[in-house]
Amino acid sequence: NAGVTQTPKFRILKIGQSMTLQCTQDMNHNYMYWYRQDPGMGLKLIYYSVGAGITDKGEVPNGYNVSRSTTEDFPLRLELAAPSQTSVYFCASSYLGPPDTEAFFGQGTRLTVV
Amino acid sequence: AQTVTQSQPEMSVQEAETVTLSCTYDTSESDYYLFWYKQPPSRQMILVIRQEAYKQQNATENRFSVNFQKAAKSFSLKISDSQLGDAAMYFCAYRNYNQGGKLIFGQGTELSVKP
Repeated sequence: NAGVTQTPKFRILKIGQSMTLQCTQDMNHNYMYWYRQDPGMGLKLIYYSVGAGITDKGEVPNGYNVSRSTTEDFPLRLELAAPSQTSVYFCASSYLGPPDTEAFFGQGTRLTVV
Repeated sequence: AQTVTQSQPEMSVQEAETVTLSCTYDTSESDYYLFWYKQPPSRQMILVIRQEAYKQQNATENRFSVNFQKAAKSFSLKISDSQLGDAAMYFCAYRNYNQGGKLIFGQGTELSVKP
């Protein structure tokens, strides 16, 4: 019963490096989301997907890219990492519609850009 | 655009007492969902309670209950018989069927529980 799995849990990047945050869910959810959480703040939406092959920008998409080739996977790509991308990243998935409206979250990835 | 506002950055409660966390939201939609999530120091996001906007009855989950005022766009969380394990960051969140069903979060309220 894995739910939403994010890897890695921690990562330190140097400025200008690139990396991919992995997210996999085994609940056959059609909706998937990437959020970032800065210290002491709420979660801000980066990108979301309503199904395989369909993605859209959220509130803070600059510096990130996503793809959704399968229902299960929704990787987040950081290109040319910047200190402003230091944050905790959460992946989430869900259905939408009664009675299943709850979003399930991964454990988060703490990313530091130095 | 929908927004969620939590006006209490920090709250404190004595163990066994009751505390209420406030949340207001702005939307022009009539059908939506509201949630309270708990985030302990482990960072895990844990669903505490949810409310469907079409239901007039306030949701209750054990010691947790909400006061949902649809006309006022208010959604407060009441924690009764507070326990040390309730200490965490609490987020109010809004969700509707449009725009990919994305969850919109408030800024959070950090709750501390004093023994």
